[in-house]
Amino acid sequence: EAGVAQSPRYKIIEKRQSVAFWCNPISGHATLYWYQQILGQGPKLLIQFQNNGVVDDSQLPKDRFSAERLKGVDSTLKIQPAKLEDSAVYLCASSLVGLGNGLTHFGPGTRLTVL
Amino acid sequence: DAKTTQPTSMDCAEGRAANLPCNHSTISGNEYVYWYRQIHSQGPQYIIHGLKNNETNEMASLIITEDRKSSTLILPHATLRDTAVYYCIVNIGSGANNLFFGTGTRLTVIP
Repeated sequence: EAGVAQSPRYKIIEKRQSVAFWCNPISGHATLYWYQQILGQGPKLLIQFQNNGVVDDSQLPKDRFSAERLKGVDSTLKIQPAKLEDSAVYLCASSLVGLGNGLTHFGPGTRLTVL
Repeated sequence: DAKTTQPTSMDCAEGRAANLPCNHSTISGNEYVYWYRQIHSQGPQYIIHGLKNNETNEMASLIITEDRKSSTLILPHATLRDTAVYYCIVNIGSGANNLFFGTGTRLTVIP
């Protein structure tokens, strides 16, 4: 099966600019996650969708970050305006729901550098 | 909060078995132990998971203690390509609960 797709793979912007990341999850996966991974740390959840509804966005800095999942498939994560501390890898992941031992599959990530 | 404790780093000689420990003393009865690894510049990759029995697949073996408070991931014949950060995660595995990553163990396989 095709994996989780993300684009772009790399992005360099200046602070206060805007940026958007795109994710296409594995077909049929109802749950979609966006994680932020700062250098040297493990991934941290930003937002979780189930189909097109938000399940958990408690760690999303809502003053500058937004995310949507149109039609319960693809998702876009936006940062506006970006700060230096937003430099990180942004990982998208997806999983099936309802299994007793569901697996989460990760995309390759988008590496964002804010100058 | 991470529910697991792992050593920060480990080295292993190429061709030897790599044994990565993980403590999860507060694991609940319905939580699985998952192992993921992250090779440089890639997303985390699933390795193996288990509830209470030992598990083996083509990548690794997972040994879970009888009281389920700790586990060990075993890579039987480590290669240079196994150099990565290994994360031990406990999760109910419904596919609807996000994975909480700690800092993991950085495994370096030495030629």
